[in-house]
Amino acid sequence: DQQVKQNSPSLSVQEGRISILNCDYTNSMFDYFLWYKKYPAEGPTFLISISSIKDKNEDGRFTVFLNKSAKHLSLHIVPSQPGDSAVYFCAALNTGNQFYFGTGTSLTVIP
Amino acid sequence: EAEVAQSPRYKITEKSQAVAFWCDPISGHATLYWYRQILGQGPELLVQFQDESVVDDSQLPKDRFSAERLKGVDSTLKIQPAELGDSAMYLCASSVGQGRARYNEQFFGPGTRLTVL
Repeated sequence: DQQVKQNSPSLSVQEGRISILNCDYTNSMFDYFLWYKKYPAEGPTFLISISSIKDKNEDGRFTVFLNKSAKHLSLHIVPSQPGDSAVYFCAALNTGNQFYFGTGTSLTVIP
Repeated sequence: EAEVAQSPRYKITEKSQAVAFWCDPISGHATLYWYRQILGQGPELLVQFQDESVVDDSQLPKDRFSAERLKGVDSTLKIQPAELGDSAMYLCASSVGQGRARYNEQFFGPGTRLTVL
């Protein structure tokens, strides 16, 4: 039972354009959300997070948007750079402190 | 730069055998996590330690999996007996923060790739 879903397994974007990665969740008890980036042969690294009391959080080129009514969050990368090519995982934490990762989206930024 | 160490990096075993993985977190990190990542899926949290105490093992298959962190530093994850479906990447992570922020500050190791034949 996948509680956090990333329905697009892969995404290709031209360098300089916007990358939009999407994530949906099923449990309304999730109240803290995170995005991680993973390069091959390495563990995931934290990118950005958002609490359910907010609908937007921005850090440099990375912005996360949260739509609680739709149980949907997205990560925007602007402008996209070739070094952003990686697998991106969303993750969610519920009020019981249980933590779940999504299935991942492989982003390729084309120079 | 401090890193989370894991060994072995690769392990091949036959089903019904016992297998163990070791993790050494970053010095001073009180929280340690074990994850399992099956190919094509996201990491699944198996167990979380705060110092030597288990704070969450709700997704650990306790009939065959066990984890310990006896002195609150390094940790061992064991599978006995291994099954074909256990083939996966086993990731260890550690963090120093408190509350929700500790998930922001997770540092992951390179993982152990387990293949069960």
